Amino acid sequence: ETGVTQSPTHLIKTRGQQVTLRCSSQSGHNTVSWYQQALGQGPQFIFQYYREEENGRGNFPPRFSGLQFPNYSSELNVNALELDDSALYLCASSSRINEQFFGPGTRLTVL
Amino acid sequence: KQEVTQIPAALSVPEGENLVLNCSFTDSAIYNLQWFRQDPGKGLTSLLLIQSSQREQTSGRLNASLDKSSGRSTLYIAASQPGDSATYLCAVTDGGADGLTFGKGTHLIIQP
Repeated sequence: ETGVTQSPTHLIKTRGQQVTLRCSSQSGHNTVSWYQQALGQGPQFIFQYYREEENGRGNFPPRFSGLQFPNYSSELNVNALELDDSALYLCASSSRINEQFFGPGTRLTVL
Repeated sequence: KQEVTQIPAALSVPEGENLVLNCSFTDSAIYNLQWFRQDPGKGLTSLLLIQSSQREQTSGRLNASLDKSSGRSTLYIAASQPGDSATYLCAVTDGGADGLTFGKGTHLIIQP
């Protein structure tokens, strides 16, 4: 059974640019959630996708958007990057009992 | 709005000690609670999941309890080892599409 994978591992961008992060869910999981974790903080929920539709969103602006594909993999897109977007971005896929399994994360640095 | 608090924020103990990490949440209408471990700069590893109808779960040297009515959970680690050093995060969900709400974590150091 393959776990949750994310790419890339690290990314450096400049303010105003756009970025796309990718996630492959664990086999058999059809729900994917994205989280942002600033240094020293707990992860913050960005949004959740179920069967290719966004069905839940945290307190993040519209420049954070996503997609889920028929194979349940997902993308997180962030437009007009700001310095405060620097964080570890985590993807999680959910089992039937809503246990969440996380990937290794993508470290985004915005200069 | 659900809020999760973890106490203590940091803990340093000698190897071999038993220890307890605490987690409290403000809204008792949860679906489940998960404990995670996070090594520096890494993703989260799920340790234990407790459904709202359960009182505790055990895995090896770890035991997690849940008192939903009082909004509290504890993670008990027996016979601690240096490899247990990590940040431990508690998170709850109401089972809807609002994701997990996390505490800030307890940074644990086990001294050899």
